[in-house]
Amino acid sequence: GNSVTQMEGPVTLSEEAFLTINCTYTATGYPSLFWYVQYPGEGLQLLLKATKADDKGSNKGFEATYRKETTSFHLEKGSVQVSDSAVYFCALSDASGSARQLTFGSGTQLTVLP
Amino acid sequence: DTAVSQTPKYLVTQMGNDKSIKCEQNLGHDTMYWYKQDSKKFLKIMFSYNNKELIINETVPNRFSPKSPDKAHLNLHINSLELGDSAVYFCASSRGGVDEQFFGPGTRLTVL
Repeated sequence: GNSVTQMEGPVTLSEEAFLTINCTYTATGYPSLFWYVQYPGEGLQLLLKATKADDKGSNKGFEATYRKETTSFHLEKGSVQVSDSAVYFCALSDASGSARQLTFGSGTQLTVLP
Repeated sequence: DTAVSQTPKYLVTQMGNDKSIKCEQNLGHDTMYWYKQDSKKFLKIMFSYNNKELIINETVPNRFSPKSPDKAHLNLHINSLELGDSAVYFCASSRGGVDEQFFGPGTRLTVL
């Protein structure tokens, strides 16, 4: 079956530090890959996505590249802000007929200190 | 305008009770989902409906019964609540054939 493995948290960084959150996946076929973000007390929001190998997703300064050879989709940001503090989820989408099933990683809590 | 809304936001109840959580989306999507997020933030899909038909039904107790009266609504009814049902339940929706899912704000269920 499909699975997503994320680096364990929590991660604590100072403002303007470089962020990497590792994500690797196991899937049959060619899934789409996502990063979702969950701010405190809120639902999940799509941060970025990539639908095929070598695609780079980017949004709000965050980037992730779909690496088929290493089955990875690591999230990076060059300079984090306090407002980036949230839980980040890596996910893959498996086409199951007309419904796309998302398989999530365990989430990584990020805290950015001023 | 809220895209995916859930009610109630918080639900505190006693073991053995029956409760419902409602979800509505105004995005015109034809597929809706229920996810459970446990205390460690782990998210797992429970159900998915496409055009009011059940598509995904993961291994959940049959005390959980989803109901979709129309494409814009997917409600979750839970019978005989147990302590282990305490979690945050998220509703989501998507356009069939498109990967991106839009999530509601969640319903925090606490069973005492």
